[in-house]
Amino acid sequence: GAVVSQHPSWVICKSGTSVKIECRSLDFQATTMFWYRQFPKQSLMLMATSNEGSKATYEQGVEKDKFLINHASLTLSTLTVTSAHPEDSSFYICSASGSADTQYFGPGTRLTVL
Amino acid sequence: KQEVTQIPAALSVPEGENLVLNCSFTDSAIYNLQWFRQDPGKGLTSLLLIQSSQREQTSGRLNASLDKSSGRSTLYIAASQPGDSATYLCAAIYNQGGKLIFGQGTELSVKP
Repeated sequence: GAVVSQHPSWVICKSGTSVKIECRSLDFQATTMFWYRQFPKQSLMLMATSNEGSKATYEQGVEKDKFLINHASLTLSTLTVTSAHPEDSSFYICSASGSADTQYFGPGTRLTVL
Repeated sequence: KQEVTQIPAALSVPEGENLVLNCSFTDSAIYNLQWFRQDPGKGLTSLLLIQSSQREQTSGRLNASLDKSSGRSTLYIAASQPGDSATYLCAAIYNQGGKLIFGQGTELSVKP
């Protein structure tokens, strides 16, 4: 149990376009979902926390208008990178937690912006 | 500021050795401490979670300890195998349902 999926697993896009990444909890209801980014050889940095049905809480330094997060249901959260630029290229990982507070991580999405 | 540090950044050992990975955190008032494994280009796999009231957790060849007073946790891997090669991350949680604060990770290579 407690499986989290992400789609797509990798994506390549042109600079200036927008990219949407989905995070789904497959076998439990996720009241809270977290979005992280990870640069090569570095650790995970939390970008934002989202609770179902409410606005996401962004970490300091993360542009909320650039990284749009929607948590419309208890099993789905989306991260949209708007007007992507090469510096947005990174590994994006989501996690989801339900009633037990334990976070379960997705497999990650590799974004490359040309 | 709540920070988590892992030493060493990289470690290479021959197969069969026992090894210890270190994690330190600046704020000792943690709620939970969690150890993860990450394979290259993959997501995170949770290995062990230690609650603040616990001193250690064990799973197979893995043993994680927690010393809140000194702000330290260790992950002990017994009889290491090449399949243990991965990056190991520790993360501190400071309140129920709160965010994970990750260390930089230790990249482990176990050579056959």
